[in-house]
Amino acid sequence: DADVTQTPRNRITKTGKRIMLECSQTKGHDRMYWYRQDPGLGLRLIYYSFDVKDINKGEISDGYSVSRQAQAKFSLSLESAIPNQTALYFCATSLTGPTDTQYFGPGTRLTVL
Amino acid sequence: AQKITQTQPGMFVQEKEAVTLDCTYDTSDQSYGLFWYKQPSSGEMIFLIYQGSYDEQNATEGRYSLNFQKARKSANLVISASQLGDSAMYFCAMREGQKGRRALTFGSGTRLQVQP
Repeated sequence: DADVTQTPRNRITKTGKRIMLECSQTKGHDRMYWYRQDPGLGLRLIYYSFDVKDINKGEISDGYSVSRQAQAKFSLSLESAIPNQTALYFCATSLTGPTDTQYFGPGTRLTVL
Repeated sequence: AQKITQTQPGMFVQEKEAVTLDCTYDTSDQSYGLFWYKQPSSGEMIFLIYQGSYDEQNATEGRYSLNFQKARKSANLVISASQLGDSAMYFCAMREGQKGRRALTFGSGTRLQVQP
């Protein structure tokens, strides 16, 4: 089984709908992250969480919210989806330490019509 | 200013040859980490290699090595003996050592195509 899972893997929705993307991990990592990737671009940070009670905004948090329900679960919500939120969304996890290497889930492809 | 710059949008290499993918970075921190990730056409992000700013030796992981030149602020990825399966997007990323900010900043990527 994959260490970092994301659900759904693909989602098509309409403008104005509320959408939740979920991330679960079995790696035992304390830190979790949400990124988005637009075509032809690198990843940009939306939110990150160092533990259940520590949640921080990234560089593009407007229009998004998150919930860290447990150490292993980190959800991303789009309160009212808009077309320019169409992107590939990645969850990542890392363990506090010298390298803090992030390991990524398989991604969720979201299309907002 | 860009934190991570990858100047090669696309690269071609012949199978079994070596290839270098360029990455330059910008930071005022003394403590930072540099990462390379591979993104095949299937979309997942695969961690390849890590170099810490205080590491004196260049990192190596199998056919991957990182040519770290601190004074020039460059962290180039070298893939030896290229294989067809190496065809993918490659992203350079940096984690800066600022307190409270240990997420990654990514470059725009280099698309590598390995030709038979």
